[in-house]
Formats: sequence, C-alpha cells, structure tokens
Amino acid sequence: RKEVEQDPGPFNVPEGATVAFNCTYSNSASQSFFWYRQDCRKEPKLLMSVYSSGNEDGRFTAQLNRASQYISLLIRDSKLSDSATYLCVVPYGGSQGNLIFGKGTKLSVKP
Amino acid sequence: GAGVSQSPSNKVTEKGKDVELRCDPISGHTALYWYRQSLGQGLEFLIYFQGNSAPDKSGLPSDRFSAERTGGSVSTLTIQRTQQEDSAVYLCASSEDSYFYGYTFGSGTRLTVV
Repeated sequence: RKEVEQDPGPFNVPEGATVAFNCTYSNSASQSFFWYRQDCRKEPKLLMSVYSSGNEDGRFTAQLNRASQYISLLIRDSKLSDSATYLCVVPYGGSQGNLIFGKGTKLSVKP
Repeated sequence: GAGVSQSPSNKVTEKGKDVELRCDPISGHTALYWYRQSLGQGLEFLIYFQGNSAPDKSGLPSDRFSAERTGGSVSTLTIQRTQQEDSAVYLCASSEDSYFYGYTFGSGTRLTVV
C-alpha cells in the first residue's frame, strides 16, 4: 500500500450536495492526520486536524478509522467556494517531523 | 512575521545557472520544511530542519540541491546548475515544534528554468 492514497476525482457536484472523500494510509503508528485545501495556483492551507476518532467544524466533518487505516472528509451543503483540491496528510513513519501529502482530490461545485 | 514569507515569488533562470530561494518562517516556529510541487503533481518533500538538530535531507533529489538554516530562522534553498526538470513551485512551511499541529505554508516560489 502506498503511504497515502486518495481518489483524484474530479468530483463534480451541485451546490447544496453532500460529498465525501476517502483517504487510506499505510503507517499504522500515525497519531495525527490532516486535511488541507489547495486552491488553483495557491499554497495548501490547513482545513482540519484529526487526532482521535474524528473532528467536526461547521459543514465539514473528518473521521478516522484506525482499524482500516483510512480517514474521510465529509462536506455538507456544498458551496461554490468549496471548489478546490483537498489533500489528505499523514505523518511519515521514517521521520519525526515530516508529513506526507496525498496527491489530492479535486472538487468542483457547480451552480 | 504574521505568516511564512518566501522570496522571490517568481524566478525565471537559464539552464545551468544557480538559484537561491529564501524562506522566512513564522516567528518562534522551530521546524521548517521545504517541499516542491510540479505542475499537476502532489507535494514532494525535500528537507526538514528542527531546531539545532541535523536536518533531514532525505528528500533532496540530487547533490545539486542544498539548504541551510541560519540562526534557527531564515532558510535558503540553493539549486546549482539548474535543469528544466527543476521547474516547479517550491513551498516552504513552518510549525511550532513538529508536525503535530500541522504546517503553515508560504505562498511559494515559482521557478521556471528555460
């Protein structure tokens, strides 16, 4: 299994839809996980951190399944402004301070 | 500063020339990272600095790449004898200690080798 794997998409959804992305990881010792958002030609920005079973912030919910080694991101009531690439991020097993970034899932929310 | 600052924002250089990219991390952040992102690709780890420890250079793609961090703050990434495949966005990030709280990225340096 690759260190971090994501469905590249694109996910094309209408405004108001609920959309979910999954991400699988290989380092079973990972303790903290992240979802970053990257807009076109911009730097990645931290969206959510996941340290235990999950985290919720408004329309966004991240869930962690340690047994199956995957994390998910759920976006409810999608907005046009949610269109971006969402990066799944996990710690790299070989280095204390290094994060591994997935290649991202592209979301396009249409009117 | 308020965020991670990188300069220059854009750099066009001729093949074979050397380039220096600068990163000024968030004040007080002890960890500093360099990544690069080629067009349409994911982030590729290059190097990681943590305090006074020896840097983790495991991601540097060749010996043409080097980086230093002076005084635990500003970092410079140097690419010698640039090649066209070095064209990418070079992103610097910093964090308070290690990865635990995630990173904050700068806006990057877009390097084009012609």
